[in-house]
Amino acid sequence: SAVISQKPSRDICQRGTSLTIQCQVDSQVTMMFWYRQQPGQSLTLIATANQGSEATYESGFVIDKFPISRPNLTFSTLTVSNMSPEDSSIYLCSAGGLNEKLFFGSGTQLSVL
Amino acid sequence: EDQVTQSPEALRLQEGESSSLNCSYTVSGLRGLFWYRQDPGKGPEFLFTLYSAGEEKEKERLKATLTKKESFLHITAPKPEDSATYLCAVINAGNNRKLIWGLGTSLAVNP
Repeated sequence: SAVISQKPSRDICQRGTSLTIQCQVDSQVTMMFWYRQQPGQSLTLIATANQGSEATYESGFVIDKFPISRPNLTFSTLTVSNMSPEDSSIYLCSAGGLNEKLFFGSGTQLSVL
Repeated sequence: EDQVTQSPEALRLQEGESSSLNCSYTVSGLRGLFWYRQDPGKGPEFLFTLYSAGEEKEKERLKATLTKKESFLHITAPKPEDSATYLCAVINAGNNRKLIWGLGTSLAVNP
C-alpha cells in the first residue's frame, strides 16, 4: 500500500489567482493521477502525471489551466491557474502500480471567491 | 459508451440491518471492477478488486460479488462506523489506467 500526503487540505482563493497543490507518496509508484470531485458528480480524471515529461490531459482539461509537474516517482504538483468560482471543487491526488489499485490523498478543498 | 450506475443514491439502515448496494456497468470488455469507501473530508479508500464473473471478495462485514452486468456490495449486520459513501469504478479492457466512476451510494447506519 501507499500513503499519500496532500497539501494544502483546504484553501480559499480570490478569482484570478493560482494555487499549487502538492502530493507526496511514501514509496515509488508507477502511476500518479489528479482528479476533481464536485458535488453530485463522479470523480473526474484531470490528467496523468508522467515522471520527467509532460502530463497527459483528459478531454476538457488543458495544460495552461492545470499545469502539472512530476519531477520524480514520489512527488507531483497540480496548479489551478487563473481561478474562477467554477474551479471550486475537491482536488484529489492518487497513485498506483501495475495492478491498477489506486490510493488517494485526503484531497484539497478549494473555494474560489 | 462506458458507463457505471450505482443504486440507490442513498441508503439509511438501522444497526444490524443487512442490505446490498448495486453497481451496474456497461463496458466494452471488463478488465476490473473496484469498490472504494469514502468518508467525508477524505479521499477514497480501496476495498476490493473483482476481475471476472462469479468472483467474490470479503472483508469484515463487506462482501463484493460480480456478474457480467453488475456488482453487489453486501453489508452484513452493519455498524454506525460503516457509514460512508461507497464508490464503484471499472476499467475496460481497452483503456487501461482510466477508471470510470459511478456517483456512489451514501450509506448511513443508525445506532
